[in-house]
Amino acid sequence: GQQLNQSPQSMFIQEGEDVSMNCTSSSIFNTWLWYKQDPGEGPVLLIALYKAGELTSNGRLTAQFGITRKDSFLNISASIPSDVGIYFCGGSGANSKLTFGKGITLSVRP
Amino acid sequence: EADIYQTPRYLVIGTGKKITLECSQTMGHDKMYWYQQDPGMELHLIHYSYGVNSTEKGDLSSESTVSRIRTEHFPLTLESARPSHTSQYLCASSMGGSGYTFGSGTRLTVV
Repeated sequence: GQQLNQSPQSMFIQEGEDVSMNCTSSSIFNTWLWYKQDPGEGPVLLIALYKAGELTSNGRLTAQFGITRKDSFLNISASIPSDVGIYFCGGSGANSKLTFGKGITLSVRP
Repeated sequence: EADIYQTPRYLVIGTGKKITLECSQTMGHDKMYWYQQDPGMELHLIHYSYGVNSTEKGDLSSESTVSRIRTEHFPLTLESARPSHTSQYLCASSMGGSGYTFGSGTRLTVV
């Protein structure tokens, strides 16, 4: 089946720093989605990407849909304590089923 | 404000009991999904539906069953709960391949 790779499993940064996460796939996807999940809650959509090469921003967040359609990047600039959480990438192909990576746990030191 | 609702948020139940986890969405989405997630771990697709009277099993085998009698409603049922079913269950919906929205989840504990 389709697999998404996110690494590392955990990231530790200082408040105010920028952080970049990437997600790679063995398959081509038509849609890339980035979610943030807080403990005990459902994932919340941060950015959706629907076109190869697309670069989209949402406040301090920027994500890009890779040209090969097999990868995507999420950048967070000027991190703040509330950025703490688990960040999941998700990709879907022609069947619309969303496959998730294992997530990256982000910790922000004040 | 959430447009996809899951109830209950938390459920502690004894082994052998039958349970139904509810999921409803008000967005008119045609596709609905159930994911299972252990704390801090990845999400695994266990069931999905592309429309009324359409249900399919997901990538992770599950003893649960689902039904889709109405567009907005996608309940998940466990006929006989076991401790191995303890997990968080997340419902999601989408219109085609876009607008993928999750509910807040049901945290199930089977004792």
